[in-house]
Amino acid sequence: EAGVTQFPSHSVIEKGQTVTLRCDPISGHDNLYWYRRVMGKEIKFLLHFVKESKQDESGMPNNRFLAERTGGTYSTLKVQPAELEDSGVYFCASSQEGGGRADYGYTFGSGTRLTVV
Amino acid sequence: LAKTTQPISMDSYEGQEVNITCSHNNIATNDYITWYQQFPSQGPRFIIQGYKTKVTNEVASLFIPADRKSSTLSLPRVSLSDTAVYYCLVGDLGAGNMLTFGGGTRLMVKP
Repeated sequence: EAGVTQFPSHSVIEKGQTVTLRCDPISGHDNLYWYRRVMGKEIKFLLHFVKESKQDESGMPNNRFLAERTGGTYSTLKVQPAELEDSGVYFCASSQEGGGRADYGYTFGSGTRLTVV
Repeated sequence: LAKTTQPISMDSYEGQEVNITCSHNNIATNDYITWYQQFPSQGPRFIIQGYKTKVTNEVASLFIPADRKSSTLSLPRVSLSDTAVYYCLVGDLGAGNMLTFGGGTRLMVKP
């Protein structure tokens, strides 16, 4: 099966600009998550979708970040306006509703490396 | 979610067995122990998960003592391609729950 796909793989933007990251989860996965790792820090949870609904957005750092998942398929994460501290790697992951596999594993994408200059 | 502590880094040589231990003193009854592997420029990848005793798959073994306050990931006969960061996660990890990553252990396998 195709994995979790993220686009773009790299993005360099100037402070104050807008960037939109996209994530295509594994087909049929209702759960979609966004995580990020900023320089020197640990990977942190941002938010969780179940289908098109935001289940948990407690990790979103501020209102400059907007995530959407229209139709319950792919998701976008928009940063507007971008600040220097937003630089890092943004990961998307998906999982099946209810698990169903003994590992309850998530599948992560390769991430988008965002650099704000 | 229970906090985890693991070594920041480890070095090994090809063909050796590598054991990475993770401490999780505050693990709860419903918590599972899961290990992820992350290569450079990739997202974390599930390796193994367990609740108690021993679990083995084609990639690794996971040893969990009776008190479950620690766990050891064992990688048999490592190769250069096993160089990665290994994360120990503890929590009720049914689908739908967020993952909490610690700093991980950076394993360097040398020729």
